Amino acid sequence: QQQVKQSPQSLIVQKGGISIINCAYENTAFDYFPWYQQFPGKGPALLIAIRPDVSEKKEGRFTISFNKSAKQFSLHIMDSQPGDSATYFCAASIAPLGAGGTSYGKLTFGQGTILTVHP
Amino acid sequence: DGGITQSPKYLFRKEGQNVTLSCEQNLNHDAMYWYRQDPGQGLRLIYYSQIVNDFQKGDIAEGYSVSREKKESFPLTVTSAQKNPTAFYLCASRHNTGIGNQPQHFGDGTRLSIL
Repeated sequence: QQQVKQSPQSLIVQKGGISIINCAYENTAFDYFPWYQQFPGKGPALLIAIRPDVSEKKEGRFTISFNKSAKQFSLHIMDSQPGDSATYFCAASIAPLGAGGTSYGKLTFGQGTILTVHP
Repeated sequence: DGGITQSPKYLFRKEGQNVTLSCEQNLNHDAMYWYRQDPGQGLRLIYYSQIVNDFQKGDIAEGYSVSREKKESFPLTVTSAQKNPTAFYLCASRHNTGIGNQPQHFGDGTRLSIL
């Protein structure tokens, strides 16, 4: 029930196209859904995050769509660029309930998607 | 600049040897985490610590040990009991407000290989 399933494993897109990565979860207690971007030899960097009280969040070319009833969320990269080529991870966590919360903000990660944007 | 520093960048372990990976942060974050990354498996949580002198096992703690004697430091020891230690190890930290979620920030990792 703690799993987050991510698809596809790899994705090839032409420059200017739309990249779409999907994630699904089972645990309805999850209430924070970040996306991370990772370049080879580097640590993941937070890209964008959403909470379940909104259905969509947009930051520049990156948009998260969230479907609470389906327990799914997705990352859309508009006007994809070769510089977007990286591995993308979705994640989910449960917010700590006050200072004594036991969830400790633990992140459960999807398996990752390797995105390649061809020039 | 504030951030998370992991060292060394590359590390080699001999059979039967314990090795220690360093993680230091100057973000004044309360919580720190260690993850293991293997191809096609995402990131898996090894250990985490919310405050100094306290830490908890994650999903794959067997063969690893940690300490949290200082707020800014959270070293990970890969012991000889870890039979498959070859992986990319990532340290993260997070400000623990106790209310809602704060994002985790990651270091640039240590790649551990077996000699």
